Amino acid sequence: DTAVSQTPKYLVTQMGNDKSIKCEQNLGHDTMYWYKQDSKKFLKIMFSYNNKELIINETVPNRFSPKSPDKAHLNLHINSLELGDSAVYFCASSQPGTAQLKNTQYFGPGTRLTVL
Amino acid sequence: TQLLEQSPQFLSIQEGENLTVYCNSSSVFSSLQWYRQEPGEGPVLLVTVVTGGEVKKLKRLTFQFGDARKDSSLHITAAQPGDTGLYLCAGARGTASKLTFGTGTRLQVTL
Repeated sequence: DTAVSQTPKYLVTQMGNDKSIKCEQNLGHDTMYWYKQDSKKFLKIMFSYNNKELIINETVPNRFSPKSPDKAHLNLHINSLELGDSAVYFCASSQPGTAQLKNTQYFGPGTRLTVL
Repeated sequence: TQLLEQSPQFLSIQEGENLTVYCNSSSVFSSLQWYRQEPGEGPVLLVTVVTGGEVKKLKRLTFQFGDARKDSSLHITAAQPGDTGLYLCAGARGTASKLTFGTGTRLQVTL
């Protein structure tokens, strides 16, 4: 059973298009995240939702819009895609509780986005 | 910014060698984690350290949190090809769930 799943695994699209990435977790966690990993493998948080409520919103262009229909799902919609958006996008979840548990992130397999 | 610098950036060693990866910051963290990421997959947690000076061992891997909780190290004894991957440290501040990830160390262990 996959704990955190993302679709699609690969996404190749033209500049200017709009695309979405979906994420689902079956761990019963309350908190979900979107990260961007660039070509140098630097992993940076973009958004975090706790029980469908946005709690972290880093300096991300407003072309990126997360949506959480329920606490098990966090989708990422990207408008007007640009070349610089090419990266691997990771979804993750964590469980509130002790400080240690709260910070442990369970990552999905990633979505490799290529903008041409 | 709460930057976490890792060194070295790349490391290529032969099976059986020992190595140490460092994670340094000018900021204090309430806890620090180490993750390993393999190609085509997401990072997977290896360990969490929360107390200054804490040392944790996971088979051939030894993790240490600095006394001032600003830095950490990962030591691998007798490296094996299965240790190959991207090692990421990540720090948390206070009770927040947000993690700041380090710059990463790519390790390759060859036969």
